[in-house]
Amino acid sequence: TQLLEQSPQFLSIQEGENLTVYCNSSSVFSSLQWYRQEPGEGPVLLVTVVTGGEVKKLKRLTFQFGDARKDSSLHITAAQPGDTGLYLCAGVDNAGNMLTFGGGTRLMVKP
Amino acid sequence: KAGVTQTPRYLIKTRGQQVTLSCSPISGHRSVSWYQQTPGQGLQFLFEYFSETQRNKGNFPGRFSGRQFSNSRSEMNVSTLELGDSALYLCASSPGGNEKLFFGSGTQLSVL
Repeated sequence: TQLLEQSPQFLSIQEGENLTVYCNSSSVFSSLQWYRQEPGEGPVLLVTVVTGGEVKKLKRLTFQFGDARKDSSLHITAAQPGDTGLYLCAGVDNAGNMLTFGGGTRLMVKP
Repeated sequence: KAGVTQTPRYLIKTRGQQVTLSCSPISGHRSVSWYQQTPGQGLQFLFEYFSETQRNKGNFPGRFSGRQFSNSRSEMNVSTLELGDSALYLCASSPGGNEKLFFGSGTQLSVL
């Protein structure tokens, strides 16, 4: 069974601060996805990273896939209250069959 | 394009009952996956259906079952409900696999 561990589990910061969320595993994934989930809704895909070492930017969000394709990070610059939500990473196994989700990081950005 | 639709949105059942949840995927999507989300366990994979066939299955007891119809709509059934089955059940659709999932808003099931 492939496991994904996310840290921290909870994060409460002030508007304007920077933060990094981590997603780690001992397993290799063919690709890794990041989702954001708001209360009462399903997760929404933010980005997919496929190549080891890949960096993708989505406005103030920067996603990185580890060189060995076992870990990933999400960095948010100048966080805003609208960034509040549950951030989930999910890895696709090498056969492309299974998508395993991490436990999530619950982010609260206070105005 | 309409998103993934899950019904009902909320459901309250008692122990021992059974429940059926419904999911209508995005038009043209042939893969439908089901997940259980709880505060303690996070998002856990139940099963995936593609073209009416179960393609992958998670580690849940046989009380959890599903099916997919020819129009790609899917249903999930839980029999002999237990208190621990209380959770948000999420359905996700994709064109073919795990490349990009589109989630519905979920069905919040409470078992009393």
